[in-house]
Amino acid sequence: DVKVTQSSRYLVKRTGEKVFLECVQDMDHENMFWYRQDPGLGLRLIYFSYDVKMKEKGDIPEGYSVSREKKERFSLILESASTNQTSMYLCASFGPRGGNSYEQYFGPGTRLTVT
Amino acid sequence: SQQGEEDPQALSIQEGENATMNCSYKTSINNLQWYRQNSGRGLVHLILIRSNEREKHSGRLRVTLDTSKKSSSLLITASRAADTASYFCATDGGGAQKLVFGQGTRLTINP
Repeated sequence: DVKVTQSSRYLVKRTGEKVFLECVQDMDHENMFWYRQDPGLGLRLIYFSYDVKMKEKGDIPEGYSVSREKKERFSLILESASTNQTSMYLCASFGPRGGNSYEQYFGPGTRLTVT
Repeated sequence: SQQGEEDPQALSIQEGENATMNCSYKTSINNLQWYRQNSGRGLVHLILIRSNEREKHSGRLRVTLDTSKKSSSLLITASRAADTASYFCATDGGGAQKLVFGQGTRLTINP
């Protein structure tokens, strides 16, 4: 089974801190994603990466950056955390499911609170 | 960007009843997927339906797709308490890897 792990389930940080959220997948997938999930807004794509050192902005990249130095690891960085970045952060990788079917495999999520 | 929208936003039914959730989207797609999210957890893939398919079954799940109306429905038959979760549709908008998720339907199954 594909496994996507995230470094923390819960995280509390102070305003202005630099925050690293790490995601690791074990299926050699090329594509990885970072989303944030907020009540009433669903999942919104922050950044995605389709190969090592390659990245593209999603719908809400402001205030975030990413790093993909190795294929299995995709990091989300909050350069200077703000209270409006309090959210659930979900990482996903994209790969085959069998036959011609593909799906996104999600990690368990990191609930980040910025105070 | 296109956005899938689920309807209703919340649904509460008795165990054993059927639950139907709907999803509408705005642009052309290659496929549409449904995911489930248990409270405070990541999303889990349930089923994928391609744009040239009209209906698909998987266990107690039945998905329909009407590309002319740009809508899909997810039916869960004989619901169980363990089906309590949020359900999301996701469309690819023509790009296979990048999905756009709706806001989800929160389903509660009452014992």
